[in-house]
Amino acid sequence: GENVEQHPSTLSVQEGDSAVIKCTYSDSASNYFPWYKQELGKRPQLIIDIRSNVGEKKDQRIAVTLNKTAKHFSLHITETQPEDSAVYFCAARDDKIIFGKGTRLHILP
Amino acid sequence: DTGVSQDPRHKITKRGQNVTFRCDPISEHNRLYWYRQTLGQGPEFLTYFQNEAQLEKSRLLSDRFSAERPKGSFSTLEIQRTEQGDSAMYLCASSVTTGEDTQYFGPGTRLTVL
Repeated sequence: GENVEQHPSTLSVQEGDSAVIKCTYSDSASNYFPWYKQELGKRPQLIIDIRSNVGEKKDQRIAVTLNKTAKHFSLHITETQPEDSAVYFCAARDDKIIFGKGTRLHILP
Repeated sequence: DTGVSQDPRHKITKRGQNVTFRCDPISEHNRLYWYRQTLGQGPEFLTYFQNEAQLEKSRLLSDRFSAERPKGSFSTLEIQRTEQGDSAMYLCASSVTTGEDTQYFGPGTRLTVL
């Protein structure tokens, strides 16, 4: 079955700097790669997603890249702000979604 | 409210008791998913339905767990003879297979087994 690895598990960046979270997946049949943000005690919220026929997608300060050959995908957050502090999960889907273990992002003042 | 809703939001029970959770998906979403999330981990897939048909069950879903979606709308997840290891957040998500098929999550039911 699908296995999703996510790194790092914790990331601290200075406010205004960029943050990068990387994931790998194992099932070449996966065709959809969403990223979710989860604040403490709240539900996961979709922040951006990318499909296998696209290499890069951007939405304001957030971008995601996908390398299907290497089975890598990454989340990039630029000009980080305090409200970006949360746990971020990558995921891969063929039918069901398999999540990574999450990255706790701390934005330092 | 047009989002996914779950009831109850919190459940405390004693070991050995049965519990049942309900999920109401976004209207007209034909797929409904159940996940379990423990502290510090990502959501783990349990099972999913397309309309009323249960299409897949995870190996995590022991025979004490059962899920139904009898009319293809709301779903229930029942845990029989609860164990302390069942303590977790149980998340429901729904999607529609036409278009983007993005999964939207409900607020979850937090289960504590004493």
